[in-house]
Amino acid sequence: DADVTQTPRNRITKTGKRIMLECSQTKGHDRMYWYRQDPGLGLRLIYYSFDVKDINKGEISDGYSVSRQAQAKFSLSLESAIPNQTALYFCATSDVGGRDEQYFGPGTRLTVT
Amino acid sequence: AQKVTQAQTEISVVEKEDVTLDCVYETRDTTYYLFWYKQPPSGELVFLIRRNSFDEQNEISGRYSWNFQKSTSSFNFTITASQVVDSAVYFCALSGTPYGGSQGNLIFGKGTKLSVKP
Repeated sequence: DADVTQTPRNRITKTGKRIMLECSQTKGHDRMYWYRQDPGLGLRLIYYSFDVKDINKGEISDGYSVSRQAQAKFSLSLESAIPNQTALYFCATSDVGGRDEQYFGPGTRLTVT
Repeated sequence: AQKVTQAQTEISVVEKEDVTLDCVYETRDTTYYLFWYKQPPSGELVFLIRRNSFDEQNEISGRYSWNFQKSTSSFNFTITASQVVDSAVYFCALSGTPYGGSQGNLIFGKGTKLSVKP
């Protein structure tokens, strides 16, 4: 089984709808991350969490919120989706951070119409 | 502030050619880490290598090699005798220590799309 899973893998939704992307990991890592990938822009950090009680905004947090339900679960919500949130979203985990590689989920392709 | 620049947006080569992907970074940290990730057309992100700032030894892994030069703040990636399966987007990334300003988060370059044609 994959170390980091994301659901759904693909989602099409309409402008104004609330949507939640879920991430689970079996690595036992404390750190979890949500990224957004747009063509030509690389990966940009939306939110990150060092543990269940420590959640931090990343570079592009506006329009997003997160919930760390447990060490293994980290969800990303779009409260009111807009078309420019159409992107590929990745969840990742790491042990300590810095020197440690991040393990990425398979990605969720989100389209907002 | 930390920054990673991958100036080559797209590269196209013919199979068996050698190709070098450039990565230039900026950081004020004395301890930092550099990474390369591969994103094949299937979309997943695959970790390739990590290098810390105190280790300037070049690394070779099969057809892949990495040249880390602190003097030019570069961490370039060379694929020798490229193959069609090397076609992917390649990302260079930088992180500091977990206790510094970046909190150990990764800063990614915008990626270089490599197309290897048969």
